[in-house]
Amino acid sequence: GQQVMQIPQYQHVQEGEDFTTYCNSSTTLSNIQWYKQRPGGHPVFLIQLVKSGEVKKQKRLTFQFGEAKKNSSLHITATQTTDVGTYFCARPGGGKLIFGQGTELSVKP
Amino acid sequence: DAGVTQSPTHLIKTRGQQVTLRCSPKSGHDTVSWYQQALGQGPQFIFQYYEEEERQRGNFPDRFSGHQFPNYSSELNVNALLLGDSALYLCASSFGFKEFTSGSPLHFGNGTRLTVT
Repeated sequence: GQQVMQIPQYQHVQEGEDFTTYCNSSTTLSNIQWYKQRPGGHPVFLIQLVKSGEVKKQKRLTFQFGEAKKNSSLHITATQTTDVGTYFCARPGGGKLIFGQGTELSVKP
Repeated sequence: DAGVTQSPTHLIKTRGQQVTLRCSPKSGHDTVSWYQQALGQGPQFIFQYYEEEERQRGNFPDRFSGHQFPNYSSELNVNALLLGDSALYLCASSFGFKEFTSGSPLHFGNGTRLTVT
């Protein structure tokens, strides 16, 4: 259906290690968005990807949109404790934004 | 420039009661969407309001209803509360309904934590 699947559900890393979360759809996406939700907070928009094969960077964060526009990834280089939170991908569908289940990242100092 | 504001921040209700949650969108935004987020889950779309009308609705029963006012603020009402309604209720705003169908980014409020006992 319209769901987007995110893996992994949880990721525990040592500070300084890299982190990657993946978002997969069974159907072609017009675009994909990424949000971050800190513990006890609300989702905050990070980025939107639109073009096939698009790669965007925000400091240590690298976002990719697959060539077939069915998957996306978020990679964090050298994680820091400030990266802690849940990362959601979200896709438009039927006039609404549909969120994945999220990947919860914990960082051990 | 005020962001999305929601009230109250926390609420405790008893099964069977009714609740009203309120949201003021970010300045310049005219579209309001409501989401329910259970613990450990992603936000689930409830409905969306634009020009004071419900434009889209998710898979939620009629116990969930809403309203949008001329100043773009919005209310979410839930009747006959069930234990399963306990969740974080998030309001999100954006500009322009047409843009939303193509996936314009959402600005979320801090949410209302509803506990039903």
